[in-house]
Amino acid sequence: KAGVTQTPRYLIKTRGQQVTLSCSPISGHRSVSWYQQTPGQGLQFLFEYFSETQRNKGNFPGRFSGRQFSNSRSEMNVSTLELGDSALYLCASSLLGQGLSPNTEAFFGQGTRLTVV
Amino acid sequence: GDSVTQMEGPVTLSEEAFLTINCTYTATGYPSLFWYVQYPGEGLQLLLKATKADDKGSNKGFEATYRKETTSFHLEKGSVQVSDSAVYFCALPSNTGKLIFGQGTTLQVKP
Repeated sequence: KAGVTQTPRYLIKTRGQQVTLSCSPISGHRSVSWYQQTPGQGLQFLFEYFSETQRNKGNFPGRFSGRQFSNSRSEMNVSTLELGDSALYLCASSLLGQGLSPNTEAFFGQGTRLTVV
Repeated sequence: GDSVTQMEGPVTLSEEAFLTINCTYTATGYPSLFWYVQYPGEGLQLLLKATKADDKGSNKGFEATYRKETTSFHLEKGSVQVSDSAVYFCALPSNTGKLIFGQGTTLQVKP
C-alpha cells in the first residue's frame, strides 16, 4: 500500500513569489492535514480537509490556503512568500471522519522543504 | 486547552544505554496518545500508540504506558542503538481532529 506522497521534496523560492505544494494521501483516506515544521516553532497545524471541505484551520495568515480535490489529493498554496515561511511542510492523511473516532492515527509524508531567499 | 509537554533535549546517550523521554499532557476526556519519530531528512512515522488508560504501546523495543493518574506517556527503551538517533514527538488528537504535538526531543546515540 503506497504511503502519503508529497511533491516536490525541495523548493527554493524568492521572497514575494507564491508556491503550491501537493499531497497525495493513502488510498481510501479522505482526511488530509497540513503542518508547518520549523526549528523555532516546532510542528504547527495549518488546516485539515475532508471530502473537499476545510474542516479546521490553524492560526496562520490568509496567505496560506489549501484545497482538496474529489480524489482526496490536496494542495496548499502560500502567496507573497516571506523569509519566515522557510520550513518543512508536512502532509498527513487519516481515516478520521470515516466512521472512526477522533483518535485515529495520522500517516505522514516525507514533507516538502521550502526555502525562501 | 489541550496541550503536550515533553522534556527538553537534546538527549545524548551511549549505545546500549537506557532511554526515557518524558511526556505529560493536558486534555479533556481520555484521548489516545501517540509517539512519532522523525529520522533525519524524513517525515514523521508513528512509533507506537495507546488508546486508553493503562494501555502499553510498544514497537521496535520502545514502550510507553498511558497513565491517567499522572497524565503521562513516557517513552522508554532498554538499550538504544545508533540507529535510534532521531527526533521524538509525543502527540494527542484534539477534539477537532488535529494532532497536538510536544516540542520534540532530539536523541543522539553515540557508538
